[in-house]
Amino acid sequence: AQKITQTQPGMFVQEKEAVTLDCTYDTSDPSYGLFWYKQPSSGEMIFLIYQGSYDQQNATEGRYSLNFQKARKSANLVISASQLGDSAMYFCATKGTDQAGTALIFGKGTTLSVSS
Amino acid sequence: EAGVAQSPRYKIIEKRQSVAFWCNPISGHATLYWYQQILGQGPKLLIQFQNNGVVDDSQLPKDRFSAERLKGVDSTLKIQPAKLEDSAVYLCASSFWDSEGTQYFGPGTRLLVL
Repeated sequence: AQKITQTQPGMFVQEKEAVTLDCTYDTSDPSYGLFWYKQPSSGEMIFLIYQGSYDQQNATEGRYSLNFQKARKSANLVISASQLGDSAMYFCATKGTDQAGTALIFGKGTTLSVSS
Repeated sequence: EAGVAQSPRYKIIEKRQSVAFWCNPISGHATLYWYQQILGQGPKLLIQFQNNGVVDDSQLPKDRFSAERLKGVDSTLKIQPAKLEDSAVYLCASSFWDSEGTQYFGPGTRLLVL
């Protein structure tokens, strides 16, 4: 079984500051992926970043980086230089990658509010 | 490249009525997913298709929900009859049929059942 835990219901940060959103996971899959999605108030889920369980380096995509600590089963999202447009709900998710086409298991999300 | 399209964006119905949602995935994506997202929670899978076949519908309430993807491209999700607890956002996603399978989501349909 797979489970994602996001313990921060809400986070507040000022513009240009960095912020870390926490995610811990539990999975029985030997090979798995970790994903972060952003959901603005409009409702669409926007893919941000992916980390494979066998990737040696932490994933980065522009201002987003994933702090992957396999032994601690954590996959925290770091957003550098926050912008007002980063205000949204953020979801961590996982899926097995041993076979094609498995569905995502999501956490409950963290609401990020960026102020000027 | 066009993203995942969904319609309608919003729907308000009364309980016991029926409703249908439509999804057109990204061109070339063999896998299509329908998720239900209740307010304050993360999305949960309802049904997954690979081409026009069902891969996983174990969490679909089959007494009232149905879905089809007849030609392996666009898909329809139906609820009949709707209950108050079906009020949620219905998200469609698609991905390549591969092990990494990053899923790309549509804008969702917000359903309110009164």
